[in-house]
Amino acid sequence: QKEVEQNSGPLSVPEGAIASLNCTYSDRGSQSFFWYRQYSGKSPELIMFIYSNGDKEDGRFTAQLNKASQYVSLLIRDSQPSDSATYLCAVNGDSNYQLIWGAGTKLIIKP
Amino acid sequence: DVKVTQSSRYLVKRTGEKVFLECVQDMDHENMFWYRQDPGLGLRLIYFSYDVKMKEKGDIPEGYSVSREKKERFSLILESASTNQTSMYLCASSLGGGAVEQFFGPGTRLTVL
Repeated sequence: QKEVEQNSGPLSVPEGAIASLNCTYSDRGSQSFFWYRQYSGKSPELIMFIYSNGDKEDGRFTAQLNKASQYVSLLIRDSQPSDSATYLCAVNGDSNYQLIWGAGTKLIIKP
Repeated sequence: DVKVTQSSRYLVKRTGEKVFLECVQDMDHENMFWYRQDPGLGLRLIYFSYDVKMKEKGDIPEGYSVSREKKERFSLILESASTNQTSMYLCASSLGGGAVEQFFGPGTRLTVL
């Protein structure tokens, strides 16, 4: 059974610093990796995805893949209080349909 | 932008009632999903559908059924609601054809009394 693990947190980061979130996955053959942000009481929102061929940067967000150690990271530069949320990591499952979800890391940005 | 809508944001039902949750997506996505989300348990897949009239059980299908009569609409049915089905229910869709990223509706917070 494929698994995705995240530290539940909370991870507390000062405003303006870099927030680093990690996610480990069990299946070495995984190829698609997704980061979702979920504000309290709201639904998950896709913010980044990468494939096994490389990292990706989008504004203040960078997703990095370490295939050898089987983890994917999300870096948030210049953290803002509005970045405070739970971040869910997901990895493609066995089928073409499913994602395997981590339980999420709660991030708190302190002003 | 993909838009996924759900019929209700909040719903209160009584034990034993039949409950219908509806989800509609407007981007011609092939795949649709129903999850429930509970504190500490993360997202758990109830059912998904990869085509009209096709459905597959997820990790926790017991006590639920689904219907997909049209491509854009995916319904979740609680045949006889129980208090342990009190939860946040999230619908999602994905394009298909190898594109697996999922887009979520706003969620329905269901309380069963």
